[in-house]
Amino acid sequence: KQEVTQIPAALSVPEGENLVLNCSFTDSAIYNLQWFRQDPGKGLTSLLLIQSSQREQTSGRLNASLDKSSGRSTLYIAASQPGDSATYLCAVFPGNTGKLIFGQGTTLQVKP
Amino acid sequence: AAGVIQSPRHLIKEKRETATLKCYPIPRHDTVYWYQQGPGQDPQFLISFYEKMQSDKGSIPDRFSAQQFSDYHSELNMSSLELGDSALYFCASSLEVGPTDTQYFGPGTRLTVL
Repeated sequence: KQEVTQIPAALSVPEGENLVLNCSFTDSAIYNLQWFRQDPGKGLTSLLLIQSSQREQTSGRLNASLDKSSGRSTLYIAASQPGDSATYLCAVFPGNTGKLIFGQGTTLQVKP
Repeated sequence: AAGVIQSPRHLIKEKRETATLKCYPIPRHDTVYWYQQGPGQDPQFLISFYEKMQSDKGSIPDRFSAQQFSDYHSELNMSSLELGDSALYFCASSLEVGPTDTQYFGPGTRLTVL
């Protein structure tokens, strides 16, 4: 059974720092991996999708990497801003049926 | 750009009542997914539809049923509501069932069962 783990569960950094969020999964047979952002009580915003054949994806200050063989992904946020404060969830797409399996998320607080 | 629309945004029901949640996917998206997110928990997959047929089923209680209509909108029907059903219910849509397509999530319906 696929399990997704995110470490740390919470992170607090001063504004301007570069930071890395970690995601690990137990079954390397995935089709893709998505990173989402969720503000408190709000919906999920898709940040990046990495296909299994890709190593990384970039969007603005965000860079996500994928090492399928080791079952790991990282989300790198450069020059963090208070507006980046949110919960970040990674989710793996284990097969061709479409359902996503989510990690518990990392709650990020960026202090001004 | 058009996004996934969910209605209602908030719903308050009593125990043993029935609730219907609606989801309108992004235009041209033919695949719809339903997820349930309990307080402080990660989203859990409930059920999905592709071209109006159920494509996958997760940990969805027998008290819940869902369908996708000819215009691709979907409805999640929940009966005999329990306190534990209180959660944020997300609908997501994608252009196809496959590994290359992003799932776009709606804002969610917050269901509170009293």
